[in-house]
Amino acid sequence: QLLESGGGLVQRGGFLRLTCVASGFTFETDEMNWVRQAPGRGLEWISYIRGGGSHGWYADSVMGRFTISRDNARKSLYLDMNNLRPEDSGLYYCARDGGSYQLDLWGQGTLVTVSS
Amino acid sequence: SSELTQDPAVSVALGQTVRMSCRGDSLRTHFASWYQQKPGQAPSLVFYGENRRPSGVPDRFSGSRSGDTAVLTLSGAQAEDEADYYCFARGTVGNHLAFGGGTKLTVL
Repeated sequence: QLLESGGGLVQRGGFLRLTCVASGFTFETDEMNWVRQAPGRGLEWISYIRGGGSHGWYADSVMGRFTISRDNARKSLYLDMNNLRPEDSGLYYCARDGGSYQLDLWGQGTLVTVSS
Repeated sequence: SSELTQDPAVSVALGQTVRMSCRGDSLRTHFASWYQQKPGQAPSLVFYGENRRPSGVPDRFSGSRSGDTAVLTLSGAQAEDEADYYCFARGTVGNHLAFGGGTKLTVL
């Protein structure tokens, strides 16, 4: 399973670090993603990282502000979010990529609220 | 605007068949995966690849692709299938992934 944490209320321009802890599978060889969903809106892909964890991919909306990383020894995935904006508010999910961009395991999400 | 385009809403009579489409240039070379999301729940994978269905997903869900369009077909819709459905695939340019805007399925 996947368990996210680290969400909360932060002011515009602030910082948050989200954590996703994996259990029940290998993790170190698995590609991982962050996906968010604003209230009442659709899913938005945010970021992707390979098992080796050297570089991440990012949506244009967060490029340069968010950084994805992982600690395979701790079976943890992170999302560092800088310079937060109100439009970054939403439920943030981590999701395992089972290969070829199919997200086969999801956490329950952690809620981020950015006040203006 | 999303790189993957879905119809915002579709409806289907109980027991009938409905097709939900996802259009995008990247689908000419990449398969889409499909997700079901019910209110208050995390999304769950229902179909992926050329013809793959995760364990536990009813076989009334199937998928196909032609040109720039992927289609999720639900044959014999049940009341519990009422949900939002999203497609997901590699983006058109660079190292990007993308969801479609989602289709709200109503079972009448």
